[in-house]
Amino acid sequence: GESVGLHLPTLSVQEGDNSIINCAYSNSASDYFIWYKQESGKGPQFIIDIRSNMDKRQGQRVTVLLNKTVKHLSLQIAATQPGDSAVYFCAEKRGGAQKLVFGQGTRLTINP
Amino acid sequence: SAVISQKPSRDICQRGTSLTIQCQVDSQVTMMFWYRQQPGQSLTLIATANQGSEATYESGFVIDKFPISRPNLTFSTLTVSNMSPEDSSIYLCSVEGLNTEAFFGQGTRLTVV
Repeated sequence: GESVGLHLPTLSVQEGDNSIINCAYSNSASDYFIWYKQESGKGPQFIIDIRSNMDKRQGQRVTVLLNKTVKHLSLQIAATQPGDSAVYFCAEKRGGAQKLVFGQGTRLTINP
Repeated sequence: SAVISQKPSRDICQRGTSLTIQCQVDSQVTMMFWYRQQPGQSLTLIATANQGSEATYESGFVIDKFPISRPNLTFSTLTVSNMSPEDSSIYLCSVEGLNTEAFFGQGTRLTVV
């Protein structure tokens, strides 16, 4: 069935290094994508979003890349910090629909 | 961004009982969403709650098990009825932001024993 999924369930990165979290989606009709960060005991926190008419968007220390040809989404976090340790989810919204479909999540651990 | 408050933040309940979770938003919103996050899993949409109409449930979720109220534009409740241990999850309320991103409450961590 249609799904939004992630390549890796866990990722460990040395503090200060850059990290890349990947996400694959299967519905070419999806036109809006979001990355969320969820820390333990908290709800998901919006990080950055991108629309399907773009292939790159940058925020503070984060960059989202969208490759519609291969239906791939990635989140790059630069100069990782201990506070970046969390589970990261990608989510997609399909044209005209209100609901979000979430991927399975990647647990990012920043090692000191 | 909207500020969303959920009550309770956590609870431990006996099987067979029901729990009502409250979601309060600091601004008026058209649509509110309820998600379930099972242990170690991603988020799954339960239903969409619109003010003045019945909630719209996703496949696998039914009104008898998860009745929802939406009495006004800033408040909603989700009831988890006749609970079993399989209902142990985090239940999350969310609303849509100006740019269609969703904002979430801190969640209600439910344990059914």
